[in-house]
Parts: sequence; C-alpha cells; structure tokens
Amino acid sequence: GQQVMQIPQYQHVQEGEDFTTYCNSSTTLSNIQWYKQRPGGHPVFLIQLVKSGEVKKQKRLTFQFGEAKKNSSLHITATQTTDVGTYFCAGPKGYALNFGKGTSLLVTP
Amino acid sequence: EPEVTQTPSHQVTQMGQEVILRCVPISNHLYFYWYRQILGQKVEFLVSFYNNEISEKSEIFDDQFSVERPDGSNFTLKIRSTKLEDSAMYFCASTRQGVLETQYFGPGTRLLVL
Repeated sequence: GQQVMQIPQYQHVQEGEDFTTYCNSSTTLSNIQWYKQRPGGHPVFLIQLVKSGEVKKQKRLTFQFGEAKKNSSLHITATQTTDVGTYFCAGPKGYALNFGKGTSLLVTP
Repeated sequence: EPEVTQTPSHQVTQMGQEVILRCVPISNHLYFYWYRQILGQKVEFLVSFYNNEISEKSEIFDDQFSVERPDGSNFTLKIRSTKLEDSAMYFCASTRQGVLETQYFGPGTRLLVL
C-alpha cells in the first residue's frame, strides 16, 4: 500500500537558520497537502500542491512538488521561534488522507 | 471563521467501558473524518463518512468502533469496549467536497484508558 515517508524526524536549529523537510511517497499522488501541528495542538492546513513541479510560497515558507508527483519539500527561510511545531505532509489514498510521520522542528532563540 | 468543534476535550475511562466522542463539523461540509494520534506519533486515519455511510475505514477501525451522524450537526465516534491501546488524541475533520480538499481539524479529544 501507499507509504508516505518524511525526513528528518527531528530538526533543531538556531533562530535565523533555514530548515527543510522532505516527503516521499511510494506511489504517485494526485496532490499533496502540508499541515503544521503546534505542540499540544491540532493539525492546521498550510497548503496543497497539485501540479507536477509546482512551487508555492507563503512568506518564508516554500513548498515544492516533484516532477514525478511522488516527493515534496517544505523549506523555511530564516526560522523564527513561532515556526516551532511538527510539519506533516499528507497524500490522498482513496477516501483517506495518509500522513507522513512528520518532522518536529525546534527553534532556539 | 467557521471551525470544527469537539467534545469533550479530555476523557478518562476504565478499560472495557464505552466512550462516545462528539464532533460538530463545519456546517456546509459534506465529508467527515476521524483520525487518531498516539502521543508523539503520526496522525492515523480511522474512517471517512459521507452521505450517512462509511466511505473508507482503516484496519484500526475494527468492530469496536462505530460512527454515526445522529442529527444534522453532530458526528460521533463510539468505542464499545475500550482497551489501553486506545489511549490517544482523537481528531475529527471535515471537508466540503472530499479528501482532495483542505481538511479542517477540530481541537481533538484526549482519551485516556486506565
């Protein structure tokens, strides 16, 4: 079955450093969604990518969808302490959303 | 902005007891979901529900689990005989038109089975 994998599992950066998390699916995805979960919170939708090779930006966040629609990345430029949380990618699988294990980001001031 | 709500926020129960977790999805949404997240782990799909029927369920969603939309607003998850390993955060989510859209998650119910 479809598996969605994310690396790294954890990342600890100094405030101002960049951060990237990578997502890989074992199957081609119709779209990929990214969610952020703050400690103790619930997943909050960030973005959806649909097209092969698509790149979208949200302020300091840059999202990419691979040409083969099997991988994706989230890059944060100049991290801030407000970026702390776990970032999940998720791909549709039938009527379900299949989440990766997430990358937990810790930002030290 | 409309949001998904869930009650209770926390539930403590004894092993073997039944629990019902409640959710009120966003009012114009048609697809509803339950997920669970064991502490420190990933969000796991349990079940999707549309037009008063289960659309899909995972292997986690066994005979001990059931879902219902008892009225026009509530969406419930029942666990008939809780086990220790059911302890987790349970999230309800809804989408307007299906899984390819943004999923709006509720704040979750933290279930602790003793």
